Parts: sequence; C-alpha cells; structure tokens
Amino acid sequence: DARVTQTPRHKVTEMGQEVTMRCQPILGHNTVFWYRQTMMQGLELLAYFRNRAPLDDSGMPKDRFSAEMPDATLATLKIQPSEPRDSAVYFCASAPSWGAEAFFGQGTRLTVV
Amino acid sequence: QKEVEQNSGPLSVPEGAIASLNCTYSDRGSQSFFWYRQYSGKSPELIMFIYSNGDKEDGRFTAQLNKASQYVSLLIRDSQPSDSATYLCAVNRGDRDDKIIFGKGTRLHILP
Repeated sequence: DARVTQTPRHKVTEMGQEVTMRCQPILGHNTVFWYRQTMMQGLELLAYFRNRAPLDDSGMPKDRFSAEMPDATLATLKIQPSEPRDSAVYFCASAPSWGAEAFFGQGTRLTVV
Repeated sequence: QKEVEQNSGPLSVPEGAIASLNCTYSDRGSQSFFWYRQYSGKSPELIMFIYSNGDKEDGRFTAQLNKASQYVSLLIRDSQPSDSATYLCAVNRGDRDDKIIFGKGTRLHILP
C-alpha cells in the first residue's frame, strides 16, 4: 500500500526550540511538496522539490524555515527557532509527474508553546 | 486576488440532493485541476481531477471545467451524510512552474 509517511504525527515544543519534520514520499514519485494548514490561511505551499532539487521555497519564512531532500526517500522541514505562530498542521505530499495529482501524508500537528 | 478562490460555506444540502461546489482561479496558464475532500482532523484525499474543458463523471461525482471563464465545479449527486467534509479545489500549471495551489475550501454539510 503506497503512501506518504510523515513523522512525527504530533509535536509539542517550547518557543525557541528546533523542530524537524520528516517525510518519506511514495516510491517513484519525483515531486515533493510541503504545505502548512491553519484555519485562517488554509493550505499554504511552503516549498517543493522535483527530482530532489528545490524549485520554489518562496512560501517559507527564510530566516527560520529550511527544507531539504537529502535523498529520494527523505524530505525534511526544519524550523529554528520555532515560534507560537508556527503552530499548524504540516503536510507533505508527493506526485508522480508534472501536472499530476498530489498524495498527502497524514500530517504533523505542531504546537509551539 | 487569490490564486484559487472558493466560498468557505458552510453549504448545507439535504440528504439525497445535489451539492454544487464552485471554484475560480486566476492563472490562465493552469492546466490541471483537482478536487480534494478533507474530513476534520484528516489529510486531504483526491476525489476528482480534470484536464480538459467539459464534464468528467466518476460515480456520484462530476467535475466541470470552463477554462475561458477560469471556473471549476464539483457536483455531488445523491448526497450522503458521509459526504459532509471540506472540499478543496486545487490548480496546477503543469509545466516548469509545477506547483499545486489550493483554495481555502468549502465546508459541506449534508442534512439527514
């Protein structure tokens, strides 16, 4: 059963701490997206990769967020330092090709206190 | 102007009736269009995609695309209580700028 896997599912951290979220895309998918979802803003695109190369990270606060794909089976999203306004659900999604639909992981619910 | 716009709802529809969900997009270069369903506390799941003008039917769902009007819609026939969810419209240029942009979603409530 092919699926996108995200860890951790839930994370509570104190303001100022580093947070790392991980994503394993579906095998064979060459495009990986990171989204953040809040009630106010909906699903916001933070960054995305094709064939592990970053294509667009304009949706991310550059001073504190970073996204990488160290290999084809792992994408990471880091926040350092974290702030209460970063509290949201972070989704990773992968797609098999250009223009194709994205399949979502179960999300990481982040709470920064 | 937001790239993808949807009425936030809630849209209340009696069980067994047709639910009609609408979406407009701003980028004329958009080539791929998707409808996702998201239950509370869950991740979005794809229910329909459409690439060409016209209608595409899949079971109780029909997606409609009008590129000239930059308009996408989703019809749900014979609405069931299990259809109560938030429906997200998404758009992709499908070329070098291959990012998928989502609307904020429409909350649908099917009344038993």
